[in-house]
Amino acid sequence: RKEVEQDPGPFNVPEGATVAFNCTYSNSASQSFFWYRQDCRKEPKLLMSVYSSGNEDGRFTAQLNRASQYISLLIRDSKLSDSATYLCVVNKENRDDKIIFGKGTRLHILP
Amino acid sequence: GAGVSQSPSNKVTEKGKDVELRCDPISGHTALYWYRQRLGQGLEFLIYFQGNSAPDKSGLPSDRFSAERTGESVSTLTIQRTQQEDSAVYLCASSRQGAQETQYFGPGTRLLVL
Repeated sequence: RKEVEQDPGPFNVPEGATVAFNCTYSNSASQSFFWYRQDCRKEPKLLMSVYSSGNEDGRFTAQLNRASQYISLLIRDSKLSDSATYLCVVNKENRDDKIIFGKGTRLHILP
Repeated sequence: GAGVSQSPSNKVTEKGKDVELRCDPISGHTALYWYRQRLGQGLEFLIYFQGNSAPDKSGLPSDRFSAERTGESVSTLTIQRTQQEDSAVYLCASSRQGAQETQYFGPGTRLLVL
């Protein structure tokens, strides 16, 4: 099993729809989880951290499922500007100084 | 405030030449990372600096790659005898203390080896 695995997509979703994608991780001792967003030919930027209790930021909801070792990102009422690649980030092993980026899930919001 | 800056923004070089890429992290950030991203691919971890600890070089793909950091400030990534497969965007990121903190990325250096 890869350390961090994401469906590469692309997910083609009509504007206004709800879309969700998951990211699985292999190390049960991982402690820190994030979603980053990367626009085409731009650098990644933090979208949101993922807390054990889950968290919500506007139209975005992130969840952590430790039992099944995955995190999820849900986007409601999708906008054209949500089109990007979403990178899952997990800290490696039980150290807080190593993190692994997933290869990303491409999302295209269609008008 | 100022973010992470990288220079040059673009670099075209001939195969076999050495290149040096620079990263200026956010002031006060003790952690600094270098990544490589080939076209259409994910981020590939290269090296990590944390304060005065020995750097984690586990991601460097070959001995042609090396990096240094002066204290908790600027870092340089050097690629010797460049090869065409080195062509990629090289991204630098910094965070306040470590992996549990948000990483702030620079705009990257686009390297093309002819």
